[in-house]
Amino acid sequence: GAGVSQSPRYKVAKRGQDVALRCDPISGHVSLFWYQQALGQGPEFLTYFQNEAQLDKSGLPSDRFFAERPEGSVSTLKIQRTQQEDSAVYLCASSFPSQPQHFGDGTRLSIL
Amino acid sequence: DAKTTQPPSMDCAEGRAANLPCNHSTISGNEYVYWYRQIHSQGPQYIIHGLKNNETNEMASLIITEDRKSSTLILPHATLRDTAVYYCIVRGDDKIIFGKGTRLHILP
Repeated sequence: GAGVSQSPRYKVAKRGQDVALRCDPISGHVSLFWYQQALGQGPEFLTYFQNEAQLDKSGLPSDRFFAERPEGSVSTLKIQRTQQEDSAVYLCASSFPSQPQHFGDGTRLSIL
Repeated sequence: DAKTTQPPSMDCAEGRAANLPCNHSTISGNEYVYWYRQIHSQGPQYIIHGLKNNETNEMASLIITEDRKSSTLILPHATLRDTAVYYCIVRGDDKIIFGKGTRLHILP
């Protein structure tokens, strides 16, 4: 069955460029989450959607990070004017409310 | 900050039971204990969760102490494919706060 799909799998960008990371959740899942995982660390929460509403964005590290889910399905995480410290794996997860989250395999972002 | 404490690493012989401990002494009454694992280059994989009763599924068993301040994840017959980082999480609302987890090495 189809799980959470993230694209691209790998992204290399030069410092200062904008990037967009895509997440296709499991069909029917109302909740969608973004996490950032630095090398050797556990994932850290970035933001959470319920349908198209962004209910929690407390984990976004700066105003350069922006997430949207305009139709309550696919979500995009955008990072503007990328910096080297943005290099990480970005994970997306989806679920029914209060149910276990199912994760994609992430996008590995490298900023040169 | 994560509300759980886990040993940073553990070894287990292939075919034996792997028992992974977790302390969560500040857990609240409505918070669940969740376990995920992460195999290299993959996203976290849900294993099991529970509130106060012991739970078992096809992957593992979860034993929660009566005071709910600690729990143990049991993989009954560990295989090399169980080598991963195992995260114990206390979850009250929708977002997950991960700690550093336990890196489990399965020895052939």
